[in-house]
Amino acid sequence: SAVISQKPSRDICQRGTSLTIQCQVDSQVTMMFWYRQQPGQSLTLIATANQGSEATYESGFVIDKFPISRPNLTFSTLTVSNMSPEDSSIYLCARTDNYGYTFGSGTRLTVV
Amino acid sequence: AQSVTQPDIHITVSEGASLELRCNYSYGATPYLFWYVQSPGQGLQLLLKYFSGDTLVQGIKGFEAEFKRSQSSFNLRKPSVHWSDAAEYFCAVGFNNAGNMLTFGGGTRLMVKP
Repeated sequence: SAVISQKPSRDICQRGTSLTIQCQVDSQVTMMFWYRQQPGQSLTLIATANQGSEATYESGFVIDKFPISRPNLTFSTLTVSNMSPEDSSIYLCARTDNYGYTFGSGTRLTVV
Repeated sequence: AQSVTQPDIHITVSEGASLELRCNYSYGATPYLFWYVQSPGQGLQLLLKYFSGDTLVQGIKGFEAEFKRSQSSFNLRKPSVHWSDAAEYFCAVGFNNAGNMLTFGGGTRLMVKP
Protein backbone atom coordinates (compact mmCIF):
# COMPACT_ATOMS: atom_id res chain seq x y z
CA SER A 1 0.00 0.00 0.00
CA ALA A 2 0.98 3.65 -0.35
CA VAL A 3 3.26 5.37 2.11
CA ILE A 4 2.73 8.92 3.31
CA SER A 5 5.27 10.82 5.36
CA GLN A 6 3.90 13.73 7.31
CA LYS A 7 5.81 16.16 9.45
CA PRO A 8 6.05 17.51 12.00
CA SER A 9 4.34 14.82 14.04
CA ARG A 10 3.49 17.32 16.74
CA ASP A 11 4.14 20.91 17.65
CA ILE A 12 3.25 23.46 20.28
CA CYS A 13 2.85 26.95 18.86
CA GLN A 14 2.16 30.43 20.14
CA ARG A 15 -1.08 32.08 19.17
CA GLY A 16 -0.77 34.43 16.23
CA THR A 17 1.97 32.41 14.56
CA SER A 18 1.73 30.05 11.59
CA LEU A 19 2.72 26.42 11.12
CA THR A 20 3.35 24.64 7.85
CA ILE A 21 2.72 20.91 7.70
CA GLN A 22 4.39 18.85 5.01
CA CYS A 23 3.11 15.71 3.36
CA GLN A 24 5.18 13.50 1.05
CA VAL A 25 3.78 10.51 -0.79
CA ASP A 26 5.81 7.70 -2.30
CA SER A 27 4.21 7.75 -5.74
CA GLN A 28 2.59 10.32 -7.96
CA VAL A 29 -1.04 11.14 -7.30
CA THR A 30 -3.34 13.76 -8.75
CA MET A 31 -5.37 14.55 -5.67
CA MET A 32 -4.34 14.86 -2.06
CA PHE A 33 -6.58 15.70 0.84
CA TRP A 34 -6.21 17.57 4.10
CA TYR A 35 -8.36 16.68 7.10
CA ARG A 36 -8.74 18.12 10.58
CA GLN A 37 -9.62 16.16 13.68
CA GLN A 38 -10.54 18.38 16.59
CA PRO A 39 -10.17 16.93 20.10
CA GLY A 40 -12.62 14.12 20.65
CA GLN A 41 -14.17 14.63 17.23
CA SER A 42 -14.27 12.88 13.89
CA LEU A 43 -12.38 13.91 10.80
CA THR A 44 -13.48 16.82 8.68
CA LEU A 45 -12.20 17.53 5.21
CA ILE A 46 -10.46 20.89 4.94
CA ALA A 47 -9.62 20.89 1.25
CA THR A 48 -8.72 18.86 -1.80
CA ALA A 49 -5.36 19.72 -3.34
CA ASN A 50 -4.98 19.11 -7.04
CA GLN A 51 -1.60 19.49 -8.62
CA GLY A 52 -1.57 22.43 -11.00
CA SER A 53 -4.66 24.17 -9.74
CA GLU A 54 -6.02 25.97 -6.70
CA ALA A 55 -7.11 23.83 -3.80
CA THR A 56 -10.83 23.30 -3.31
CA TYR A 57 -11.96 24.24 0.18
CA GLU A 58 -14.90 22.82 2.06
CA SER A 59 -17.49 24.98 3.71
CA GLY A 60 -16.09 26.68 6.78
CA PHE A 61 -12.49 26.65 5.60
CA VAL A 62 -10.83 29.49 3.70
CA ILE A 63 -7.59 29.86 1.85
CA ASP A 64 -6.37 32.79 3.95
CA LYS A 65 -6.50 30.64 7.07
CA PHE A 66 -5.38 27.35 5.53
CA PRO A 67 -3.25 28.03 2.46
CA ILE A 68 -2.24 24.88 0.62
CA SER A 69 0.54 24.30 -1.83
CA ARG A 70 0.84 21.45 -4.28
CA PRO A 71 4.06 22.00 -6.21
CA ASN A 72 4.27 18.51 -7.69
CA LEU A 73 2.53 15.14 -7.77
CA THR A 74 4.16 13.78 -4.61
CA PHE A 75 4.16 16.71 -2.21
CA SER A 76 1.76 19.09 -0.50
CA THR A 77 1.81 21.51 2.39
CA LEU A 78 -0.91 22.91 4.61
CA THR A 79 -0.30 26.09 6.57
CA VAL A 80 -2.35 26.96 9.61
CA SER A 81 -2.16 30.74 9.76
CA ASN A 82 -2.59 33.22 12.60
CA MET A 83 -3.26 30.40 15.00
CA SER A 84 -5.57 30.51 17.98
CA PRO A 85 -6.23 27.84 20.62
CA GLU A 86 -9.27 26.76 18.61
CA ASP A 87 -6.89 25.50 15.93
CA SER A 88 -5.52 22.88 18.30
CA SER A 89 -6.25 19.66 16.43
CA ILE A 90 -4.73 16.77 14.59
CA TYR A 91 -4.18 17.55 10.92
CA LEU A 92 -3.91 14.65 8.49
CA CYS A 93 -3.10 14.42 4.84
CA ALA A 94 -4.42 11.61 2.67
CA ARG A 95 -4.28 10.23 -0.83
CA THR A 96 -6.29 7.73 -2.80
CA ASP A 97 -4.91 4.71 -4.59
CA ASN A 98 -5.96 1.22 -5.62
CA TYR A 99 -6.07 0.21 -1.95
CA GLY A 100 -8.47 2.94 -1.03
CA TYR A 101 -7.39 5.89 1.02
CA THR A 102 -4.08 6.16 2.86
CA PHE A 103 -3.55 8.66 5.64
CA GLY A 104 -0.44 10.22 7.01
CA SER A 105 0.28 9.70 10.68
CA GLY A 106 -1.00 13.17 11.49
CA THR A 107 0.31 16.36 13.02
CA ARG A 108 -0.85 17.01 16.55
CA LEU A 109 -0.97 20.78 16.95
CA THR A 110 -1.39 22.55 20.25
CA VAL A 111 -1.78 26.32 20.26
CA VAL A 112 -1.04 28.11 23.51
CA ALA B 1 -25.05 15.78 0.42
CA GLN B 2 -23.83 12.42 1.61
CA SER B 3 -23.69 11.70 5.32
CA VAL B 4 -22.46 8.93 7.58
CA THR B 5 -23.98 8.06 10.93
CA GLN B 6 -22.48 5.99 13.67
CA PRO B 7 -25.32 5.83 16.19
CA ASP B 8 -23.23 4.59 19.10
CA ILE B 9 -20.78 7.12 20.52
CA HIS B 10 -19.49 4.73 23.18
CA ILE B 11 -19.66 0.96 23.46
CA THR B 12 -18.33 -1.20 26.27
CA VAL B 13 -17.93 -4.94 25.86
CA SER B 14 -16.28 -7.64 27.90
CA GLU B 15 -13.14 -9.26 26.59
CA GLY B 16 -14.07 -12.33 24.59
CA ALA B 17 -17.56 -11.06 23.81
CA SER B 18 -18.76 -10.37 20.31
CA LEU B 19 -18.88 -6.86 18.88
CA GLU B 20 -20.96 -5.03 16.33
CA LEU B 21 -20.43 -1.37 15.47
CA ARG B 22 -23.13 0.26 13.40
CA CYS B 23 -22.71 2.50 10.40
CA ASN B 24 -25.38 3.97 8.16
CA TYR B 25 -24.90 6.23 5.19
CA SER B 26 -27.08 8.43 3.12
CA TYR B 27 -26.52 8.58 -0.62
CA GLY B 28 -28.35 7.58 -3.78
CA ALA B 29 -25.68 5.37 -5.32
CA THR B 30 -23.49 2.59 -4.05
CA PRO B 31 -20.57 4.13 -2.24
CA TYR B 32 -17.11 2.96 -1.38
CA LEU B 33 -17.15 1.99 2.30
CA PHE B 34 -14.35 1.90 4.84
CA TRP B 35 -13.71 1.19 8.47
CA TYR B 36 -10.72 2.76 10.20
CA VAL B 37 -9.38 2.33 13.71
CA GLN B 38 -7.53 4.96 15.69
CA SER B 39 -5.75 4.04 18.88
CA PRO B 40 -5.01 6.84 21.38
CA GLY B 41 -2.36 9.16 20.03
CA GLN B 42 -2.08 7.19 16.82
CA GLY B 43 -2.99 7.72 13.20
CA LEU B 44 -5.74 6.02 11.24
CA GLN B 45 -5.38 2.38 10.29
CA LEU B 46 -7.57 0.83 7.62
CA LEU B 47 -9.41 -2.24 8.88
CA LEU B 48 -11.30 -3.12 5.72
CA LYS B 49 -13.02 -1.68 2.70
CA TYR B 50 -15.85 -2.45 0.30
CA PHE B 51 -15.82 -1.37 -3.30
CA SER B 52 -17.98 -4.00 -5.01
CA GLY B 53 -18.61 -7.76 -5.15
CA ASP B 54 -19.11 -9.94 -2.12
CA THR B 55 -20.98 -7.91 0.48
CA LEU B 56 -19.22 -9.61 3.39
CA VAL B 57 -15.74 -8.20 3.67
CA GLN B 58 -12.92 -9.60 5.75
CA GLY B 59 -10.38 -7.26 7.25
CA ILE B 60 -7.37 -7.27 9.49
CA LYS B 61 -7.31 -8.17 13.19
CA GLY B 62 -10.26 -10.56 12.80
CA PHE B 63 -12.76 -7.88 11.81
CA GLU B 64 -15.43 -8.23 9.15
CA ALA B 65 -18.17 -5.99 7.82
CA GLU B 66 -21.30 -6.57 5.81
CA PHE B 67 -22.71 -4.18 3.25
CA LYS B 68 -26.49 -4.18 3.20
CA ARG B 69 -27.78 -2.06 0.38
CA SER B 70 -31.40 -2.24 1.50
CA GLN B 71 -30.49 -0.82 4.88
CA SER B 72 -27.73 1.55 3.70
CA SER B 73 -25.54 -0.01 6.35
CA PHE B 74 -22.00 -1.27 6.70
CA ASN B 75 -21.72 -2.68 10.21
CA LEU B 76 -18.41 -3.85 11.62
CA ARG B 77 -18.24 -7.10 13.54
CA LYS B 78 -15.78 -9.17 15.49
CA PRO B 79 -16.68 -12.51 17.10
CA SER B 80 -14.36 -12.19 20.10
CA VAL B 81 -12.97 -8.88 21.29
CA HIS B 82 -9.48 -8.54 22.73
CA TRP B 83 -8.40 -5.87 25.20
CA SER B 84 -6.13 -4.43 22.50
CA ASP B 85 -9.19 -3.63 20.38
CA ALA B 86 -10.04 -0.70 22.65
CA ALA B 87 -9.86 2.31 20.36
CA GLU B 88 -11.92 4.74 18.30
CA TYR B 89 -13.55 3.31 15.20
CA PHE B 90 -14.56 5.39 12.22
CA CYS B 91 -16.80 4.44 9.35
CA ALA B 92 -16.15 6.39 6.17
CA VAL B 93 -17.82 6.69 2.82
CA GLY B 94 -16.36 7.73 -0.50
CA PHE B 95 -18.04 8.44 -3.79
CA ASN B 96 -16.25 8.37 -7.08
CA ASN B 97 -18.05 11.42 -8.38
CA ALA B 98 -17.23 13.56 -5.35
CA GLY B 99 -13.56 14.08 -6.06
CA ASN B 100 -12.70 10.93 -4.17
CA MET B 101 -13.11 12.68 -0.84
CA LEU B 102 -14.07 10.69 2.24
CA THR B 103 -16.89 11.56 4.58
CA PHE B 104 -16.45 10.24 8.09
CA GLY B 105 -18.94 9.20 10.69
CA GLY B 106 -18.65 10.65 14.15
CA GLY B 107 -16.81 7.64 15.48
CA THR B 108 -17.50 4.99 18.12
CA ARG B 109 -15.24 4.67 21.12
CA LEU B 110 -14.85 1.04 22.13
CA MET B 111 -13.92 0.14 25.68
CA VAL B 112 -13.11 -3.43 26.64
CA LYS B 113 -13.71 -4.74 30.15
CA PRO B 114 -11.41 -7.46 31.48
